[in-house]
Amino acid sequence: AQSVSQHNHHVILSEAASLELGCNYSYGGTVNLFWYVQYPGQHLQLLLKYFSGDPLVKGIKGFEAEFIKSKFSFNLRKPSVQWSDTAEYFCAVNSGYSTLTFGKGTMLLVSP
Amino acid sequence: DVKVTQSSRYLVKRTGEKVFLECVQDMDHENMFWYRQDPGLGLRLIYFSYDVKMKEKGDIPEGYSVSREKKERFSLILESASTNQTSMYLCASSFSPLHFGNGTRLTVT
Repeated sequence: AQSVSQHNHHVILSEAASLELGCNYSYGGTVNLFWYVQYPGQHLQLLLKYFSGDPLVKGIKGFEAEFIKSKFSFNLRKPSVQWSDTAEYFCAVNSGYSTLTFGKGTMLLVSP
Repeated sequence: DVKVTQSSRYLVKRTGEKVFLECVQDMDHENMFWYRQDPGLGLRLIYFSYDVKMKEKGDIPEGYSVSREKKERFSLILESASTNQTSMYLCASSFSPLHFGNGTRLTVT
């Protein structure tokens, strides 16, 4: 069974700081990778996804993620966070027609 | 834009009650899913369905059942609610990526 590990449960940053959230997965074959975000009081929404091709994926709101196959990693980055980025972030993975497996989430708090 | 609608935002039920959580999607998706979300545990898959009248167990199906009589509707049933089923329940449709509803926060007292 696949597993997804998110390195940090809570991250606190000041506005304009750079962000990197770690995500590692266990499956060694072809995978699809996702980052979802849940803003306070809102539903989960897709931030970005990787299926194939360029391993550097750009998503909404200035986020990007890099797929490094040799490290089984799909870390999320943003050069300069804003207060409005305060949210919970989930990494998820599936392969073929398997269901999505989610990480436990990282709560990001950005102080103004 | 995909719309996944969960009938209740908040529910409070008593231990032992039978609870129905309803979910409707408007995009003719074949695949629908029920997850529960708990702090520090992320999202865990309860049940999913690839077609009408079809269901598959996810990672934590115990204490739950589902019903899919129509393609657009996927119901989660708690046969006899218990306090450890107090949680946020999320419905999703499509497959890759998933589209989520707003969630139902269920409290069992």
